[in-house]
Amino acid sequence: DTAVSQTPKYLVTQMGNDKSIKCEQNLGHDTMYWYKQDSKKFLKIMFSYNNKELIINETVPNRFSPKSPDKAHLNLHINSLELGDSAVYFCASSRRIPSGRTTDTQYFGPGTRLTVL
Amino acid sequence: KNQVEQSPQSLIILEGKNCTLQCNYTVSPFSNLRWYKQDTGRGPVSLTIMTFSENTKSNGRYTATLDADTKQSSLHITASQLSDSASYICVVRGDSGGGADGLTFGKGTHLIIQP
Repeated sequence: DTAVSQTPKYLVTQMGNDKSIKCEQNLGHDTMYWYKQDSKKFLKIMFSYNNKELIINETVPNRFSPKSPDKAHLNLHINSLELGDSAVYFCASSRRIPSGRTTDTQYFGPGTRLTVL
Repeated sequence: KNQVEQSPQSLIILEGKNCTLQCNYTVSPFSNLRWYKQDTGRGPVSLTIMTFSENTKSNGRYTATLDADTKQSSLHITASQLSDSASYICVVRGDSGGGADGLTFGKGTHLIIQP
C-alpha cells in the first residue's frame, strides 16, 4: 500500500562514516527527489531524478550522491558524514507532465532522521 | 530572487475555532501554488493546488485563496480539530528559476490546536 517508502526511519552514526538511505515508490512516477529538513523545519530540495538522469542538483556538497538503479528507486549516499548533516531527509516522487517542465503533485515518504554524533 | 514568506510562524488556537494562514510570494513568472500539511514525524501531504486562473479552492474544511495580482494566498481552516495540528507549507512553482524544478518553499506555519 505504501506509495513512497524510505529506509531506515532512524539512522545514528559517527562523524566521518559513509551511509546510505534508500527510497522506493510504487506510484509509477518518473521523477524522484531528495529533500533535507533542518531543525527549523525548513524543507530544502537537494536533488531530483527524471528517467534515470539527474536534472537538478542544488548546491549540496559532493559528499552527497543520489543513485537511481531504476525508475522506482532513488537512494542517497552520504560520504564522510559531518555534524551539520544531522537532519530529516525526505524522498518524494511525482509525475512529469509531458507537455512542459512542470510536474504533478509530489508525494513524500515518511522521512529518515539522521543523527551524526 | 524568488521568495515565499509565510505568516504567522506559529499559531495556537482552541479546538472548534477558525484560523487563516498567510503566504506571500515573489515568484515570477507564476505557474501554481500548493499548500502542504506536514504532521509531526511524517512527510508533507498536498492539500490544494491553485493555478493563475483560480482564486479559491476547497478541500473539506480547508479553503485556499489566491490573489495573483497581489501575489498572496491564504489557507483558511474551518472548525479546527485536534488533527489539524501540523505544519502548513506554501510552495510556489515558477516557470523559470526559483530553485530546483522551479519550486520555492515557504518555511511553514506551525499550527497547534488545543482542546
